[in-house]
Amino acid sequence: DADVTQTPRNRITKTGKRIMLECSQTKGHDRMYWYRQDPGLGLRLIYYSFDVKDINKGEISDGYSVSRQAQAKFSLSLESAIPNQTALYFCATSDPRTGDTGELFFGEGSRLTVL
Amino acid sequence: AQSVAQPEDQVNVAEGNPLTVKCTYSVSGNPYLFWYVQYPNRGLQFLLKYITGDNLVKGSYGFEAEFNKSQTSFHLKKPSALVSDSALYFCAVRDKPDSNYQLIWGAGTKLIIKP
Repeated sequence: DADVTQTPRNRITKTGKRIMLECSQTKGHDRMYWYRQDPGLGLRLIYYSFDVKDINKGEISDGYSVSRQAQAKFSLSLESAIPNQTALYFCATSDPRTGDTGELFFGEGSRLTVL
Repeated sequence: AQSVAQPEDQVNVAEGNPLTVKCTYSVSGNPYLFWYVQYPNRGLQFLLKYITGDNLVKGSYGFEAEFNKSQTSFHLKKPSALVSDSALYFCAVRDKPDSNYQLIWGAGTKLIIKP
């Protein structure tokens, strides 16, 4: 089983719908992240959380919200989806013991299409 | 402003030949540099990192990268390419003094290894 699991893996929805992408991890890491990947743009950080009570906006948080339900779970919501939110979304974790020198561990991605 | 550039959208290499994937960066302080690989329909996987010390760092799958401070580069290399190395490669940088723990990502380079 994957250490970082994202659901759904693929989702097609319509403009204006609310969408939730879920992430769960078994790595025991406190730090969790949501990224968006667009072709030719690399990855951009949407939100990150360093523990259950800590939520921080990334560079592109507008139109998104998150919930950290437990150490192992971090959900991303699109309150009212729009077509330019069509992208590949990744959840990632990192071990706080490695600080800012440690690597990220990624889920396999959730491909979202907004029509 | 912090930035990362991967000047080549795609690199084509014959199997058995050496490969180089280029990365240059711009940060205000001392950089922490990372390479990740993304195989088709998969999440990103950590390959290697430079934090301090020896300018040549070795990573997974026979890859290595050389940190060059004067040229602000961190090129990824492998002496003999395999078809299985075909993937999307991302360079990322963290500028510690002002990073807020956020990575800045390059746009990615598609590596194609031909038999």
